[in-house]
Amino acid sequence: AQTVTQSQPEMSVQEAETVTLSCTYDTSENNYYLFWYKQPPSRQMILVIRQEAYKQQNATENRFSVNFQKAAKSFSLKISDSQLGDTAMYFCAFMKLMNRDDKIIFGKGTRLHILP
Amino acid sequence: NAGVTQTPKFRILKIGQSMTLQCTQDMNHNYMYWYRQDPGMGLKLIYYSVGAGITDKGEVPNGYNVSRSTTEDFPLRLELAAPSQTSVYFCASSYDRVDGYTFGSGTRLTVV
Repeated sequence: AQTVTQSQPEMSVQEAETVTLSCTYDTSENNYYLFWYKQPPSRQMILVIRQEAYKQQNATENRFSVNFQKAAKSFSLKISDSQLGDTAMYFCAFMKLMNRDDKIIFGKGTRLHILP
Repeated sequence: NAGVTQTPKFRILKIGQSMTLQCTQDMNHNYMYWYRQDPGMGLKLIYYSVGAGITDKGEVPNGYNVSRSTTEDFPLRLELAAPSQTSVYFCASSYDRVDGYTFGSGTRLTVV
């Protein structure tokens, strides 16, 4: 069974700094999708970034980028020039797409505090 | 587009009462999901549906029921509410899953 591990339960960084959130996953599949979701205090779940495993190029979305290491099964999220609005819980997620019952598997989350 | 709409946003139930959490989406998504999130914790899948007329259990289905009579609606029924069902409930949907899920804004339920 696939698993997603986020080893940092909580992190704090100063505003404008760069922060990296770690995520590892376990799978025997070769083709799959990876996601980072953000959940701010408003509790709305927001998709931050996605990566297709067959693409070697790391995905980027403005200040958010990933470091996808397929062989190491690692999918870290880098937030550059962090802002107060980045304070949130961040969930790493994995999904294989073999049949209709395949679902996104979420990690337990990393709570990120951006300090003024 | 409204996206995924959940109602109500907040609710307090007494032990033993029943209620239905509503979820509707206007994106013609085939896949729909119900999660619960306990304080400070991750998401646990309750039920899911891969299309109208098809539902299946997730990892924590006990005490809940769902139906999917239309593509748009996926209500979650709580029967005989218990304090252990105090949680925030999220509905999510997806067209083909490769773009991830779109989530509703959640329902905060307290059972007293």
